[in-house]
Amino acid sequence: DQQVKQNSPSLSVQEGRISILNCDYTNSMFDYFLWYKKYPAEGPTFLISISSIKDKNEDGRFTVFLNKSAKHLSLHIVPSQPGDSAVYFCAASSAGANNLFFGTGTRLTVIP
Amino acid sequence: GAVVSQHPSWVICKSGTSVKIECRSLDFQATTMFWYRQFPKQSLMLMATSNEGSKATYEQGVEKDKFLINHASLTLSTLTVTSAHPEDSSFYICSAPPGPHNEQFFGPGTRLTVL
Repeated sequence: DQQVKQNSPSLSVQEGRISILNCDYTNSMFDYFLWYKKYPAEGPTFLISISSIKDKNEDGRFTVFLNKSAKHLSLHIVPSQPGDSAVYFCAASSAGANNLFFGTGTRLTVIP
Repeated sequence: GAVVSQHPSWVICKSGTSVKIECRSLDFQATTMFWYRQFPKQSLMLMATSNEGSKATYEQGVEKDKFLINHASLTLSTLTVTSAHPEDSSFYICSAPPGPHNEQFFGPGTRLTVL
């Protein structure tokens, strides 16, 4: 049972434009959401997170939006750069639990 | 952020042999570490939670006798895949929690190929 879903396996964006990666979840007990970036044969690296009490968190070129009623979050990258090309995973956790539930990932390709 | 290392980064073994993967926290102490597995084009799936000084906690469907976890110190957790079979071929990643943003710090992963 996939509690965190990323329905777009891939996304291509022109350099300088906005990249929008989407994520949906089913478990209403999740209260913390994270985005990770992963290169092949490497572990995921943390990008940005958001608590369920917020609807937006921004860090430089990265902004995460959370819509709790829709159980949906998105990651916006603007402007997109070729170095952003990687697989992006969204993840979620519940209060008091340390383990993360991951989506299946979206491969972002930023075209120079 | 904190640094987590894994060794080896890539291992090929024959079916029926056992393989040990080490996960170390280099600049902090971790009473808990997590072991994940990722099959090609799939999500990272939590296998087990490694607890320093006590038994590991395994997720449903993960055979504890096949995937032996030992958390002998505050900086080292090991995962041993016993009697490995080709279907165990996967990318194994460990992590240690949590950072200031509730994030986990992941190791670089170990790719296991069982022939």
